This record gives sequence, C-alpha cells and structure tokens, in this order.
Amino acid sequence: DTEVTQTPKHLVMGMTNKKSLKCEQHMGHRAMYWYKQKAKKPPELMFVYSYEKLSINESVPSRFSPECPNSSLLNLHLHALQPEDSALYLCASSQAPRGVGYLFFGEGSRLTVL
Amino acid sequence: SQQGEEDPQALSIQEGENATMNCSYKTSINNLQWYRQNSGRGLVHLILIRSNEREKHSGRLRVTLDTSKKSSSLLITASRAADTASYFCATGLSGTYKYIFGTGTRLKVLA
Repeated sequence: DTEVTQTPKHLVMGMTNKKSLKCEQHMGHRAMYWYKQKAKKPPELMFVYSYEKLSINESVPSRFSPECPNSSLLNLHLHALQPEDSALYLCASSQAPRGVGYLFFGEGSRLTVL
Repeated sequence: SQQGEEDPQALSIQEGENATMNCSYKTSINNLQWYRQNSGRGLVHLILIRSNEREKHSGRLRVTLDTSKKSSSLLITASRAADTASYFCATGLSGTYKYIFGTGTRLKVLA
C-alpha cells in the first residue's frame, strides 16, 4: 500500500465553523506533513510530525491545529478560518529521517471558506 | 524566504520535443527532488538526486545537479500530451525534515 488518503476531498465551511481534515497512510512512514497550496503557487509547509511529535510549525496561525493520534493518522483541525485560508491542503508522508527520502502525497482536501 | 526559484514559469511545446526546466535553491541540501502535479491534484515524485550526484536518468527524465551553483535542471525527452502538468523541484534541507518547493514550471505539451 503506497497511498496517502485524505478526507474529505472537498470542504465548504463558514468562518464560525469547526471542521477537521484527515490523512492516513499505512506505509510505516514516521514523518507526516501538512502543506497548503494556493492556485498556481507551490505547496507551502505548515507542520511536520516526526514519530508522532510536532517537530516543525512554520508559524501557522492558531486557527489551524494539527494532531497526530498515531503513526498512521494525521488530522488538521480548523476553527474560525478566514476566506483567505481557502486553498488545497495536502498531506504527505516520508520514510527516511531528516529530509533524505521522497514525499508521498495525498490527493488533497480543497477547502473553501465562506 | 528559503523557497527555490524555477524557470521558465510556463513552457509550451509540441509533442515529441524536449522540455527543460531549471531550479535554483538557496540552502545546503541532502538531495533535490522533482515532482509533478496534474491540475488540482496531489503531487507525485518523479526523481531524486543526492547532493553527491551530478546526473541521474529515469526513463525519459534526466536530472542534473550543480551544488556549486545551487541549481538543477529537469529534461523531459520526447514529450507527450500526457506530460502536461506543473513540475516542482523540492529540496530536502540538511539535518531537518523540511522539504521546500520551488515556484514551479507549468508545462503544456500540444498534440
């Protein structure tokens, strides 16, 4: 199984809603990532978990709250978002430690904030 | 910003022609990778070149790396309409879990 699965594929939410994005991989990868991508722009790193611990937070606003319940799952909790947070949110995982291997990406969750 | 730059931003070629994209980066790296993204989809890794390698081939792909110039190029030979996509370089930063993506090249291959 070489897949990273993200749900939901599409999400529309109001600025006062609370929602979550989910990501799952069963490749035994111990590093998992959240990236944000706006149209015609490269993915921007948000968070990295390694061995279920948050190792990188790229100064992301607190309205985005990551969680890694176990080595296969990664969540991104969303609360009080702004319209400018509308984007494609990509989850990725990697096997080798410390920037040595490939990233395996999910298909993304397209978020629209009204 | 640690972000790398890619050029050209957009490239339009005829089927059968070769496509070359360039990537420049700023920091010390473990490796440099190239990814492909079809419109609105996830990224797929294409090829990885380590910092101690200068050239690598995979099928119709050829990647070069010049660490003294902090630059890399991706060559796609004999392009096909199905190669139409955005291509991103990404650098794995030494000693970290960070992968930083370049600005991307949008390739259009005309049938």
